[in-house]
Amino acid sequence: NAGVTQTPKFQVLKTGQSMTLQCAQDMNHNSMYWYRQDPGMGLRLIYYSASEGTTDKGEVPNGYNVSRLNKREFSLRLESAAPSQTSVYFCASNFGGTYTDTQYFGPGTRLTVL
Amino acid sequence: AQSVAQPEDQVNVAEGNPLTVKCTYSVSGNPYLFWYVQYPNRGLQFLLKYITGDNLVKGSYGFEAEFNKSQTSFHLKKPSALVSDSALYFCAVRDGTGTASKLTFGTGTRLQVTL
Repeated sequence: NAGVTQTPKFQVLKTGQSMTLQCAQDMNHNSMYWYRQDPGMGLRLIYYSASEGTTDKGEVPNGYNVSRLNKREFSLRLESAAPSQTSVYFCASNFGGTYTDTQYFGPGTRLTVL
Repeated sequence: AQSVAQPEDQVNVAEGNPLTVKCTYSVSGNPYLFWYVQYPNRGLQFLLKYITGDNLVKGSYGFEAEFNKSQTSFHLKKPSALVSDSALYFCAVRDGTGTASKLTFGTGTRLQVTL
């Protein structure tokens, strides 16, 4: 039982390049989330998917797109990377739909945009 | 909109001493509060949560948190700190709307435990 996995672990991009961050969970969770972590700002929600087939914007969605490929996988795409997108990206998942539910996090992807 | 505040960027404590990491919240409706810990170069790990019931919540690794409705606080505590507790701690509040259990996080508090 791997929990939440993310690939890649590290990535360096040049301004304007594109890339996709992958996330998968094996806990049969309904909801999945993408966050970015920046020093002094905590974690901020980029996009989330309440259930398979749905996606919604979070607090900081500009410059990103997402795809809920199936129940297990939720990808985050940067179409044209900018230095402001240098950050650590975390994927999380949970069953959703209840107030008692806990989110489980992946190990993160450290992205640097030059 | 809900929010949480962690007023201390860093807390320093000697091993064996009690520790407190502060969190205050602002929500409309009932608060659903969480504490997570992040060790270096790792993802966030769940510590404990308050949903309802007893104001003192016990969690992983000997941590507990005290919910205080009148002071809108949810401080994390441990009676005796360990060097291995040194990490980044986040308080979070659940968004009360929608079907997804979205969380709003505080800015984090770095706990440094020294010998």
